[in-house]
Amino acid sequence: AQSVTQPDIHITVSEGASLELRCNYSYGATPYLFWYVQSPGQGLQLLLKYFSGDTLVQGIKGFEAEFKRSQSSFNLRKPSVHWSDAAEYFCAVAVGFQKLVFGTGTRLLVSP
Amino acid sequence: GAGVSQSPRYKVAKRGQDVALRCDPISGHVSLFWYQQALGQGPEFLTYFQNEAQLDKSGLPSDRFFAERPEGSVSTLKIQRTQQEDSAVYLCASSVGQANSPLHFGNGTRLTVT
Repeated sequence: AQSVTQPDIHITVSEGASLELRCNYSYGATPYLFWYVQSPGQGLQLLLKYFSGDTLVQGIKGFEAEFKRSQSSFNLRKPSVHWSDAAEYFCAVAVGFQKLVFGTGTRLLVSP
Repeated sequence: GAGVSQSPRYKVAKRGQDVALRCDPISGHVSLFWYQQALGQGPEFLTYFQNEAQLDKSGLPSDRFFAERPEGSVSTLKIQRTQQEDSAVYLCASSVGQANSPLHFGNGTRLTVT
């Protein structure tokens, strides 16, 4: 069955430091992959998506993600974290027409 | 101008009561989705509409859950005889309906069943 694994429940990063959030997926065909961010009490906002082509995808707010088929991974990165990036981050794979399977999320804490 | 609007923002129901959750998608959006997000978990798919047609309801956890979108715009998710395990945030999302178009999520309705 299709699934997404985010192995880190919480991550703490110092402001200004780099960030990498891990995501592994299980899906038989070529995946459509997404990263969403959720601030407390808010809905989900799309950060970036991968459908095909260049495996390094740029998103909003300075985020990028790299699709690695051999590792079934789609890790999210940011070179310098800001305090406003503190939120919950969800990786997702599309398993049908726009039907998404989400991971359990990684909560990012940013220390001063 | 709005984004996806959901109401109520919070709902407290006693076990056994029926509840109705409303979603106003972005105007003109063809596709509409409902997701359930339990505490500490990622959202889980419930059901999907294209216009007024419910094309996928495979995620509805039981026959107590029912969704409709009679005129292809506003949607209502109804839960009958609520149980404690129904406590969750219910998220609605809409899109223009193309495969690579983004989903726009509302802020959700937090349902607490006591």
